[in-house]
Amino acid sequence: EAQVTQNPRYLITVTGKKLTVTCSQNMNHEYMSWYRQDPGLGLRQIYYSMNVEVTDKGDVPEGYKVSRKEKRNFPLILESPSPNQTSLYFCASSLRSGLAGVGETQYFGPGTRLLVL
Amino acid sequence: DAKTTQPNSMESNEEEPVHLPCNHSTISGTDYIHWYRQLPSQGPEYVIHGLTSNVNNRMASLAIAEDRKSSTLILHRATLRDAAVYYCILGASGTYKYIFGTGTRLKVLA
Repeated sequence: EAQVTQNPRYLITVTGKKLTVTCSQNMNHEYMSWYRQDPGLGLRQIYYSMNVEVTDKGDVPEGYKVSRKEKRNFPLILESPSPNQTSLYFCASSLRSGLAGVGETQYFGPGTRLLVL
Repeated sequence: DAKTTQPNSMESNEEEPVHLPCNHSTISGTDYIHWYRQLPSQGPEYVIHGLTSNVNNRMASLAIAEDRKSSTLILHRATLRDAAVYYCILGASGTYKYIFGTGTRLKVLA
């Protein structure tokens, strides 16, 4: 089944304790992206990757890192989480990048709910 | 940066058409317009997208204004399962970013 998977689905942690949220897709998609969703603010893009080893900042990248060493995986790293990073996180992927890529359908994962105490 | 503006909420009666508006007055010439919806406790799912012309698929229709500064998602016959938050999104071709609005919560009345 074609899908985007995220792990963990729920996470409670404490300020400053490094964590990684994994994202994997099995559709051979070039473009992958991370979003956070907060009440009243909708979804905001954190980072995106146009292909292996190619990443760039979205609108809210502060406090986050990403890497794209393999096409299928795009982990989100919080080196020193803070309470303002408490949020619902979504990973998404789409088939192509590039000029026409922003016309592609994005497939979203089920979300990871993070609470930072 | 381009942005989208949507009403916070709308209501519709079951089996009636629904027109969900979106304003994107700062859209660039090659930015795509996407619509996604998010059902409770799920990730967003694709509904429809277009660039300049009106588009139809099995889920909905997308009407794009001639100047592209606004668009309307049309659900032809709303069902209770269509109750969701609908997001109007720009695919910013110059930056390869996706810009989400805050969405419209659609309530469908039986």
